[in-house]
Amino acid sequence: EVQLVESGGALVQPGGSLRLSCAASGFTFRNYWMNWVRQAPGGGLDWVANIKEDGSERNYVDSVKGRFTISRDNAKNSLYLQMNSLRAEDTALYYCARQPFGEFDSWGHGTLVTVSS
Amino acid sequence: DVQMTQSPSSLSASVGDRVAITCRASLGINNYLAWYQQKPGKGPRLLIYSASTLQSGVPSRFSGSGYGTDFTLTISSLQPEDVATYYCQKYNTAPYSFGQGTKLEI
Repeated sequence: EVQLVESGGALVQPGGSLRLSCAASGFTFRNYWMNWVRQAPGGGLDWVANIKEDGSERNYVDSVKGRFTISRDNAKNSLYLQMNSLRAEDTALYYCARQPFGEFDSWGHGTLVTVSS
Repeated sequence: DVQMTQSPSSLSASVGDRVAITCRASLGINNYLAWYQQKPGKGPRLLIYSASTLQSGVPSRFSGSGYGTDFTLTISSLQPEDVATYYCQKYNTAPYSFGQGTKLEI
C-alpha cells in the first residue's frame, strides 16, 4: 500500500525557517516525480513545487521561488521542503503527492505550518 | 500562466441527481487535466486523469470529458458519500494550477 507521511509542521514567526519531510513507503520512490501542494485554512489547493525522480529538475510556483527548496533522498525514501523567509501567507496544510505521469495519484494527510508572531 | 476556473463554486443536489461541474483553462491544455475529490479533514483523492480516464477503484458513476480549454466532471447518480469539494488541475506544464474548487452538498 502506498503511504506518504508528512511531518515537520509547526508554528513559526514571520521571517523564520522550517523544513518539512515526507516519508514514502509501499512503492519504488526513486521512480517517481514528487510534489508539495498546500492548502490555506478554508482555502483551495495550491501547487508549490515538484522534483524529478533523480533530483535533476525542480519546478516552483512563483510565490515561493528563492525562498523554498525542494529536495529528496532516494536512499531514505524521503522528500523535503526547506522553507525560508516565511510569510503569513505561507500558513497552510502542506501535502506531499506522488506524480506517476502528470496527475497526482497518491497524497499524504498533510502537515500544518502556521506563520504568526 | 494558465488559469483554471471552475463553475459553479458550490452546488446543492439530491440523491440520484445527475451533477456536472465544469472547468475552463485560460489557454489550451490538450487533455492534461485531472479531477480530485476532497472530503473534510482528508487529503485529495484522484478521480479522473487525462480528462476522461477513470482512476482505478473510482466508482463508474464518475466520468470526465473535454479537450483543449473546456472540461466537465459528471456524476451520473449522486450518492450521499459524494459530498465533498471537487478540484480540477492542469498538468501539461508547471505550474500545475488547480481550479478554485466546487463544494457539493446534498
